[in-house]
Amino acid sequence: SAVISQKPSRDICQRGTSLTIQCQVDSQVTMMFWYRQQPGQSLTLIATANQGSEATYESGFVIDKFPISRPNLTFSTLTVSNMSPEDSSIYLCSVKFVALPQNIQYFGAGTRLSVL
Amino acid sequence: AQSVSQHNHHVILSEAASLELGCNYSYGGTVNLFWYVQYPGQHLQLLLKYFSGDPLVKGIKGFEAEFIKSKFSFNLRKPSVQWSDTAEYFCAVNARSGGYNKLIFGAGTRLAVHP
Repeated sequence: SAVISQKPSRDICQRGTSLTIQCQVDSQVTMMFWYRQQPGQSLTLIATANQGSEATYESGFVIDKFPISRPNLTFSTLTVSNMSPEDSSIYLCSVKFVALPQNIQYFGAGTRLSVL
Repeated sequence: AQSVSQHNHHVILSEAASLELGCNYSYGGTVNLFWYVQYPGQHLQLLLKYFSGDPLVKGIKGFEAEFIKSKFSFNLRKPSVQWSDTAEYFCAVNARSGGYNKLIFGAGTRLAVHP
């Protein structure tokens, strides 16, 4: 079965710093997404990572705070910039695979971020 | 705007009890519907899905869900829960928004099953 790998799995960071989260998939995907799951809450879509172009951000999320790259079909990064304690969340990568039904999204294990 | 409502945030059951988790969505167009499950310490997994056809869909581990279009509902059921069903359950709708499909999640229901 296809694998979605996220690194790091968890981190503790100081306020004002930035963290880059990586998402690597072992099969070709059509779409890649980044979600945030704040403590005790549901998943919120941050942006759709577009290959070779700027990501499409949802309302309330901006590129300066959450820059995203997707240099190829199977890899993407999300950076959480100038962090504050409010950014403490689980960040999840999600994909749709080329080889699987198109409207099903699969999720990585997530990156648990704590900001002090 | 599209939204998904899950009626129960916390549910506590004894083993062998029956389970029904409510999910309602607001969207007038064609939707794909999903239930995802997140077991403690694990990542989000697909439990079942509805795209079209028979509105009663069966998923893994004995779960099923019924799509009732007139009620905009997609409730999750299991006749007899087990301790291993302790998890958080998320209803999600894939709907078209802003020119592309977007997966929208409900707030989640945390289920605790006691032996």
